[in-house]
Amino acid sequence: AQSVTQLDSQVPVFEEAPVELRCNYSSSVSVYLFWYVQYPNQGLQLLLKYLSGSTLVKGINGFEAEFNKSQTSFHLRKPSVHISDTAEYFCAVIKMNRDDKIIFGKGTRLHILP
Amino acid sequence: DSGVTQTPKHLITATGQRVTLRCSPRSGDLSVYWYQQSLDQGLQFLIQYYNGEERAKGNILERFSAQQFPDLHSELNLSSLELGDSALYFCASSSPVGGANTGELFFGEGSRLTVL
Repeated sequence: AQSVTQLDSQVPVFEEAPVELRCNYSSSVSVYLFWYVQYPNQGLQLLLKYLSGSTLVKGINGFEAEFNKSQTSFHLRKPSVHISDTAEYFCAVIKMNRDDKIIFGKGTRLHILP
Repeated sequence: DSGVTQTPKHLITATGQRVTLRCSPRSGDLSVYWYQQSLDQGLQFLIQYYNGEERAKGNILERFSAQQFPDLHSELNLSSLELGDSALYFCASSSPVGGANTGELFFGEGSRLTVL
């Protein structure tokens, strides 16, 4: 079975500084990878996804993530964060080409410091 | 607006009671997922339906049940409620292409259940 590990439960970062949120996954088969964002008092929404092709994926709001198969990682990055990026970020994985359940990590809460 | 509608938004009830949460998926989406989000457990997958049939089951308690109706809306029934059932319950929908789920889910805003 596949699993997702988000190594940091909380990440504080100063406004306009870069940030990296870490995600590692485990699976015996090929997978699709996702980052979802949950703003306060809202549902989750898709930030970006990796299905195939280029390992560097760009998403909304200036975020990007890099798929590294050898390290089984899919870290999320942004070069300069804004106060509006305050949210919880979830990494998720699903087996490729299967209508299967999507497994989410426990989430990383991003705190933007003024 | 994701297009997924959940009702009620907030619900306060007592232990031992039963509640029903309702979800209307995005227009055209055939799959409905239910997730439970709590501070200690994170986002837990409960159950998935595809076009009226149960497709996958996660950490759903026997006291909980769900169904998807012919019009594709779904209901999650929670019975014999305990304090620990207090959580945010999310519904999400998707539209698998050719039977394969690419993993893009559209989430509702959730139903916050408080059990006193």
